[in-house]
Amino acid sequence: SQKIEQNSEALNIQEGKTATLTCNYTNYSPAYLQWYRQDPGRGPVFLLLIRENEKEKRKERLKVTFDTTLKQSLFHITASQPADSATYLCALRKAAGNKLTFGGGTRVLVKP
Amino acid sequence: NAGVTQTPKFRILKIGQSMTLQCTQDMNHNYMYWYRQDPGMGLKLIYYSVGAGITDKGEVPNGYNVSRSTTEDFPLRLELAAPSQTSVYFCASSFQVAGITDTQYFGPGTRLTVL
Repeated sequence: SQKIEQNSEALNIQEGKTATLTCNYTNYSPAYLQWYRQDPGRGPVFLLLIRENEKEKRKERLKVTFDTTLKQSLFHITASQPADSATYLCALRKAAGNKLTFGGGTRVLVKP
Repeated sequence: NAGVTQTPKFRILKIGQSMTLQCTQDMNHNYMYWYRQDPGMGLKLIYYSVGAGITDKGEVPNGYNVSRSTTEDFPLRLELAAPSQTSVYFCASSFQVAGITDTQYFGPGTRLTVL
């Protein structure tokens, strides 16, 4: 069966350090992968998209990598700040299809 | 632009009652979606629509109905509320054409409790 897995345990990290989150998938041939941020009591907000033929994408302090051989995406927050504390969701869209499938999300807590 | 708006923000239903969750977007997006999110879990797709008059089931459609009579509105109907439908419901929209990717824009959510 198709699965998207994110670490369900919260990631506690010291301010200024790099947070690294993992998104693993099985039985998918994704056209692209997206990362969203969700704050408590709010809807997800789009952060970054990476396509199957791209290895890395950056946006300010955020970096996403995509390894279709390992079936894994890594999401990095460099120089983390307390304001980065949130839940981060990965989502995949298959090459054939018009829907996104979301992972369960990983909560990040950045301590000052 | 208001983006995606949802009403109500909160609702408590008794078992067997019915209600409609409203969703409106003002971005002229062709695609609209309804998701539910249970505590500590990701989003599960209930129904989606690729344009006015066209809807399709997602991963967890049982107990729900939708309609899409206009581009802007995509209401979600619960006919006979059950405790298993206690969740936070998110509406989202996106613009999709062949070759253009879909960033989804989400509403603020409706928190529904069925007692």
